Amino acid sequence: DTGVSQDPRHKITKRGQNVTFRCDPISEHNRLYWYRQTLGQGPEFLTYFQNEAQLEKSRLLSDRFSAERPKGSFSTLEIQRTEQGDSAMYLCASSSNRDRILGSGEQYFGPGTRLTVT
Amino acid sequence: GQQLNQSPQSMFIQEGEDVSMNCTSSSIFNTWLWYKQDPGEGPVLLIALYKAGELTSNGRLTAQFGITRKDSFLNISASIPSDVGIYFCAGDQGAQKLVFGQGTRLTINP
Repeated sequence: DTGVSQDPRHKITKRGQNVTFRCDPISEHNRLYWYRQTLGQGPEFLTYFQNEAQLEKSRLLSDRFSAERPKGSFSTLEIQRTEQGDSAMYLCASSSNRDRILGSGEQYFGPGTRLTVT
Repeated sequence: GQQLNQSPQSMFIQEGEDVSMNCTSSSIFNTWLWYKQDPGEGPVLLIALYKAGELTSNGRLTAQFGITRKDSFLNISASIPSDVGIYFCAGDQGAQKLVFGQGTRLTINP
């Protein structure tokens, strides 16, 4: 078990450019989550997948954001036409809910991708 | 968006002291989780609580799920330098997403 991995760890981009981040969850986990964290705040939920299906999206996820999990394994988060307000840490987490009826169970986070938009 | 109220916001203690922090909400949660985050890294899960009244330990850490399901606390006994960091509580209402507190920043003077 190698844990949740994210790539890249850091990304600096100019306003207006598109960026894409990748997340590889813990291998046996069927659920994958994206969160955004700004300085001095706790993470905020963006979206989640169960297997390849995207089941919920936050209002924070504007139409410039899109996430995919095409084969139910890794996921990508793309931001189009980046704005300075997109600068944040983007966190991915995964969980397995096979043993629990309610709730998301224990979510395990990756190291995050720090995005800076100049 | 909805957030949990976590207190205190910061703590400055001496090495060896015990630490207590808590998290409250106006809403009921099915699950309470406590995480620790170091600078530039993702949150690391410390303790998960699933039943009202549940008291769970993980080494020097102890956490409780409040009876009303609207609060939780985390205690750290005999603090050591590696306990430095930001501690977050998180609650799950069964909606498959976590709601986080604002964090408690712990600083330890050796």
